[in-house]
Amino acid sequence: GENVEQHPSTLSVQEGDSAVIKCTYSDSASNYFPWYKQELGKRPQLIIDIRSNVGEKKDQRIAVTLNKTAKHFSLHITETQPEDSAVYFCAARVFSGGYNKLIFGAGTRLAVHP
Amino acid sequence: DTAVSQTPKYLVTQMGNDKSIKCEQNLGHDTMYWYKQDSKKFLKIMFSYNNKELIINETVPNRFSPKSPDKAHLNLHINSLELGDSAVYFCASSQEWWGPGANVLTFGAGSRLTVL
Repeated sequence: GENVEQHPSTLSVQEGDSAVIKCTYSDSASNYFPWYKQELGKRPQLIIDIRSNVGEKKDQRIAVTLNKTAKHFSLHITETQPEDSAVYFCAARVFSGGYNKLIFGAGTRLAVHP
Repeated sequence: DTAVSQTPKYLVTQMGNDKSIKCEQNLGHDTMYWYKQDSKKFLKIMFSYNNKELIINETVPNRFSPKSPDKAHLNLHINSLELGDSAVYFCASSQEWWGPGANVLTFGAGSRLTVL
């Protein structure tokens, strides 16, 4: 299957709190899971990614965890700041018909309130 | 120096018209894509080209015809525009279409198409 589900669709937090966004995927052959951030009116940009041979990856205030058995992965943002407000997309690389492509989740709109 | 540039940024047109969106990348990448982002923010792949050759064609109406004159350019022509075609169309590129080089997408700024 080619399905990536993302929750929640909207998330509102106070500045300084943590935010967690979760995704599940259906293709057990998926081996690459990036997260993109899209600020209002701007292009999606890669912020962090994880490969299937790793369980966790951190980059300053953001981290991604992967549970291959359960086929889910999560984005964690700590000490949130107003500039973290954006739409976040998870994605999974799926293999279909001899080709591979990135399938995106539906996005999570994160609002960080000062 | 913009890596992936697309024009126009905004396009407003009447139903039934034909329009084109152009995309160029100066990253030396082999693979280019068109994604459609609708009003609910879903990002869906439409087409993928590798070195001018079509490799992915999702179930997109044949009113949409991509053209890649060389590996640095991927244009999208849309015939007989319908209301449901209103969306933001993003061009993107990656180093290659398979392997680690396929993983990182660089997106253009998007072209907002409004069909009246």
